[in-house]
Amino acid sequence: NAGVTQTPKFQVLKTGQSMTLQCAQDMNHNSMYWYRQDPGMGLRLIYYSASEGTTDKGEVPNGYNVSRLNKREFSLRLESAAPSQTSVYFCASRKDRVQETQYFGPGTRLLVL
Amino acid sequence: AQSVTQLGSHVSVSEGALVLLRCNYSSSVPPYLFWYVQYPNQGLQLLLKYTSAATLVKGINGFEAEFKKSETSFHLTKPSAHMSDAAEYFCAVIEGRSQGNLIFGKGTKLSVKP
Repeated sequence: NAGVTQTPKFQVLKTGQSMTLQCAQDMNHNSMYWYRQDPGMGLRLIYYSASEGTTDKGEVPNGYNVSRLNKREFSLRLESAAPSQTSVYFCASRKDRVQETQYFGPGTRLLVL
Repeated sequence: AQSVTQLGSHVSVSEGALVLLRCNYSSSVPPYLFWYVQYPNQGLQLLLKYTSAATLVKGINGFEAEFKKSETSFHLTKPSAHMSDAAEYFCAVIEGRSQGNLIFGKGTKLSVKP
Protein backbone atom coordinates (compact mmCIF):
# COMPACT_ATOMS: atom_id res chain seq x y z
CA ASN A 1 0.00 0.00 0.00
CA ALA A 2 2.00 2.97 -1.31
CA GLY A 3 -0.54 5.69 -0.30
CA VAL A 4 -0.18 8.81 -2.45
CA THR A 5 2.65 8.85 -4.98
CA GLN A 6 3.89 11.76 -7.08
CA THR A 7 6.19 11.99 -10.07
CA PRO A 8 8.62 13.54 -10.71
CA LYS A 9 10.30 14.39 -7.42
CA PHE A 10 12.16 17.34 -8.89
CA GLN A 11 11.97 19.23 -12.19
CA VAL A 12 13.66 22.25 -13.73
CA LEU A 13 11.82 24.05 -16.52
CA LYS A 14 12.51 27.07 -18.66
CA THR A 15 9.92 29.82 -18.88
CA GLY A 16 7.27 28.88 -21.42
CA GLN A 17 7.83 25.13 -21.27
CA SER A 18 4.99 22.80 -20.35
CA MET A 19 4.87 19.80 -18.08
CA THR A 20 2.47 17.49 -16.27
CA LEU A 21 2.78 16.48 -12.64
CA GLN A 22 1.41 13.03 -11.93
CA CYS A 23 -0.36 11.85 -8.79
CA ALA A 24 -1.83 8.45 -7.94
CA GLN A 25 -3.41 6.95 -4.84
CA ASP A 26 -4.13 3.33 -4.04
CA MET A 27 -6.49 3.86 -1.09
CA ASN A 28 -9.74 3.92 -3.12
CA HIS A 29 -10.29 7.55 -2.13
CA ASN A 30 -12.93 9.66 -3.84
CA SER A 31 -11.49 13.16 -3.41
CA MET A 32 -8.12 14.36 -4.66
CA TYR A 33 -6.34 17.71 -4.33
CA TRP A 34 -3.43 19.71 -5.69
CA TYR A 35 -1.69 22.27 -3.45
CA ARG A 36 1.32 24.50 -3.82
CA GLN A 37 3.59 25.38 -0.91
CA ASP A 38 5.61 28.59 -0.86
CA PRO A 39 7.75 29.87 2.03
CA GLY A 40 5.68 31.71 4.61
CA MET A 41 2.43 31.05 2.71
CA GLY A 42 1.35 27.67 4.02
CA LEU A 43 -0.40 25.42 1.49
CA ARG A 44 -2.79 26.87 -1.03
CA LEU A 45 -5.32 24.82 -2.97
CA ILE A 46 -4.93 24.90 -6.76
CA TYR A 47 -7.62 22.45 -7.92
CA TYR A 48 -9.58 19.61 -6.44
CA SER A 49 -11.68 16.71 -7.60
CA ALA A 50 -14.51 15.67 -5.30
CA SER A 51 -15.13 12.49 -7.27
CA GLU A 52 -14.14 10.79 -10.48
CA GLY A 53 -15.25 12.92 -13.42
CA THR A 54 -15.43 16.25 -11.59
CA THR A 55 -12.87 18.99 -11.02
CA ASP A 56 -13.13 22.44 -9.46
CA LYS A 57 -10.93 25.47 -8.97
CA GLY A 58 -9.34 26.22 -5.64
CA GLU A 59 -7.76 29.39 -4.35
CA VAL A 60 -4.96 29.76 -6.94
CA PRO A 61 -5.95 28.03 -10.22
CA ASN A 62 -4.53 30.49 -12.76
CA GLY A 63 -1.89 28.97 -15.03
CA TYR A 64 -2.86 25.38 -14.25
CA ASN A 65 -5.15 22.69 -15.60
CA VAL A 66 -6.06 19.32 -14.13
CA SER A 67 -7.37 15.97 -15.27
CA ARG A 68 -8.99 13.32 -13.12
CA LEU A 69 -7.98 10.43 -15.34
CA ASN A 70 -9.74 7.79 -13.25
CA LYS A 71 -10.42 7.22 -9.57
CA ARG A 72 -6.72 6.65 -8.83
CA GLU A 73 -5.02 9.38 -10.83
CA PHE A 74 -5.16 13.19 -10.79
CA SER A 75 -2.69 15.14 -12.90
CA LEU A 76 -1.70 18.82 -12.84
CA ARG A 77 -0.56 20.53 -16.04
CA LEU A 78 1.39 23.72 -16.51
CA GLU A 79 0.84 24.79 -20.13
CA SER A 80 3.37 27.63 -20.17
CA ALA A 81 5.50 27.70 -17.05
CA ALA A 82 6.37 31.02 -15.39
CA PRO A 83 8.96 31.77 -12.68
CA SER A 84 6.05 32.53 -10.30
CA GLN A 85 5.15 28.85 -10.51
CA THR A 86 8.41 27.85 -8.83
CA SER A 87 7.11 26.01 -5.81
CA VAL A 88 6.67 22.66 -4.11
CA TYR A 89 3.53 20.88 -5.28
CA PHE A 90 1.64 18.40 -3.14
CA CYS A 91 -1.10 16.02 -4.09
CA ALA A 92 -3.51 14.73 -1.45
CA SER A 93 -6.49 12.43 -1.26
CA ARG A 94 -9.41 11.82 1.09
CA LYS A 95 -11.90 8.99 1.25
CA ASP A 96 -15.41 10.38 1.68
CA ARG A 97 -16.65 12.49 4.57
CA VAL A 98 -15.36 16.03 5.03
CA GLN A 99 -13.94 15.30 8.49
CA GLU A 100 -11.80 12.46 7.25
CA THR A 101 -8.05 12.83 6.96
CA GLN A 102 -6.37 14.08 3.83
CA TYR A 103 -3.29 12.02 3.00
CA PHE A 104 -0.41 13.77 1.28
CA GLY A 105 2.17 12.67 -1.24
CA PRO A 106 5.90 13.43 -0.88
CA GLY A 107 5.79 16.47 -3.16
CA THR A 108 7.33 17.67 -6.42
CA ARG A 109 9.87 20.50 -6.33
CA LEU A 110 9.56 22.65 -9.45
CA LEU A 111 12.03 25.33 -10.46
CA VAL A 112 11.13 27.57 -13.39
CA LEU A 113 14.03 29.57 -14.78
CA ALA B 1 -15.25 32.54 5.35
CA GLN B 2 -13.08 30.21 7.34
CA SER B 3 -9.50 31.15 8.15
CA VAL B 4 -6.64 30.09 10.39
CA THR B 5 -4.01 32.20 12.12
CA GLN B 6 -0.86 30.65 13.54
CA LEU B 7 0.94 32.94 15.95
CA GLY B 8 4.71 32.81 15.51
CA SER B 9 6.36 31.66 12.31
CA HIS B 10 9.30 30.31 14.32
CA VAL B 11 9.33 28.82 17.82
CA SER B 12 12.47 27.60 19.57
CA VAL B 13 12.47 25.42 22.70
CA SER B 14 15.04 23.46 24.62
CA GLU B 15 14.94 19.68 24.66
CA GLY B 16 12.66 18.59 27.49
CA ALA B 17 10.75 21.88 27.60
CA LEU B 18 7.05 22.40 26.93
CA VAL B 19 6.03 22.87 23.32
CA LEU B 20 3.14 25.28 22.67
CA LEU B 21 2.14 26.15 19.12
CA ARG B 22 -0.78 28.54 18.80
CA CYS B 23 -3.67 28.35 16.35
CA ASN B 24 -6.78 30.53 16.18
CA TYR B 25 -9.55 29.94 13.69
CA SER B 26 -12.46 31.79 12.22
CA SER B 27 -15.48 29.78 11.18
CA SER B 28 -19.17 30.49 10.70
CA VAL B 29 -20.09 26.90 11.51
CA PRO B 30 -18.79 24.49 14.16
CA PRO B 31 -15.33 23.73 12.80
CA TYR B 32 -13.38 20.62 12.02
CA LEU B 33 -9.73 21.36 12.90
CA PHE B 34 -6.49 19.60 12.05
CA TRP B 35 -2.80 19.77 12.94
CA TYR B 36 -0.31 18.45 10.38
CA VAL B 37 3.47 18.08 10.70
CA GLN B 38 6.00 18.37 7.89
CA TYR B 39 9.53 17.05 8.36
CA PRO B 40 12.22 18.46 6.05
CA ASN B 41 11.74 17.51 2.41
CA GLN B 42 8.68 15.39 3.15
CA GLY B 43 4.92 15.62 2.72
CA LEU B 44 2.45 16.46 5.45
CA GLN B 45 1.42 13.94 8.07
CA LEU B 46 -1.63 14.19 10.29
CA LEU B 47 -0.85 14.75 13.98
CA LEU B 48 -4.42 14.99 15.27
CA LYS B 49 -7.87 16.32 14.44
CA TYR B 50 -10.97 17.69 16.16
CA THR B 51 -14.29 16.62 14.68
CA SER B 52 -16.72 17.74 17.42
CA ALA B 53 -16.25 14.85 19.80
CA ALA B 54 -13.96 15.32 22.85
CA THR B 55 -12.49 18.81 23.13
CA LEU B 56 -9.09 17.47 24.23
CA VAL B 57 -7.62 15.55 21.35
CA LYS B 58 -4.59 13.30 21.62
CA GLY B 59 -2.40 12.65 18.62
CA ILE B 60 0.75 10.87 17.63
CA ASN B 61 4.20 11.38 19.16
CA GLY B 62 2.80 12.70 22.47
CA PHE B 63 1.10 15.78 21.03
CA GLU B 64 -2.33 16.97 22.06
CA ALA B 65 -4.59 19.93 21.35
CA GLU B 66 -7.58 21.44 23.09
CA PHE B 67 -10.53 22.93 21.26
CA LYS B 68 -11.75 26.09 23.03
CA LYS B 69 -14.82 27.52 21.37
CA SER B 70 -14.92 30.63 23.57
CA GLU B 71 -11.38 31.53 22.52
CA THR B 72 -11.69 30.18 18.94
CA SER B 73 -8.42 28.38 19.56
CA PHE B 74 -6.90 24.96 18.92
CA HIS B 75 -3.38 25.19 20.37
CA LEU B 76 -0.97 22.27 20.04
CA THR B 77 1.06 21.15 23.06
CA LYS B 78 3.62 18.55 24.05
CA PRO B 79 4.89 18.34 27.64
CA SER B 80 8.52 17.55 26.79
CA ALA B 81 10.19 18.40 23.47
CA HIS B 82 12.45 15.93 21.73
CA MET B 83 15.04 16.68 19.08
CA SER B 84 12.98 14.67 16.61
CA ASP B 85 10.09 17.14 17.01
CA ALA B 86 11.95 19.75 14.94
CA ALA B 87 9.68 20.29 11.95
CA GLU B 88 7.09 22.65 10.53
CA TYR B 89 3.56 22.46 11.93
CA PHE B 90 0.41 23.49 10.14
CA CYS B 91 -3.03 24.15 11.60
CA ALA B 92 -5.97 23.78 9.21
CA VAL B 93 -9.75 24.21 9.25
CA ILE B 94 -12.30 22.66 6.95
CA GLU B 95 -13.88 25.16 4.55
CA GLY B 96 -17.56 24.74 5.20
CA ARG B 97 -19.22 21.39 5.51
CA SER B 98 -19.85 20.61 1.84
CA GLN B 99 -16.68 20.10 -0.16
CA GLY B 100 -14.43 19.73 2.85
CA ASN B 101 -11.46 21.65 1.49
CA LEU B 102 -8.74 22.45 4.00
CA ILE B 103 -7.72 26.04 4.73
CA PHE B 104 -4.16 26.06 6.10
CA GLY B 105 -2.38 28.48 8.36
CA LYS B 106 1.02 29.77 7.28
CA GLY B 107 2.86 27.30 9.46
CA THR B 108 5.15 27.41 12.51
CA LYS B 109 8.69 26.10 12.31
CA LEU B 110 9.74 24.43 15.56
CA SER B 111 13.40 24.27 16.50
CA VAL B 112 14.60 22.15 19.43
CA LYS B 113 17.89 23.06 21.09
CA PRO B 114 19.96 20.40 22.87
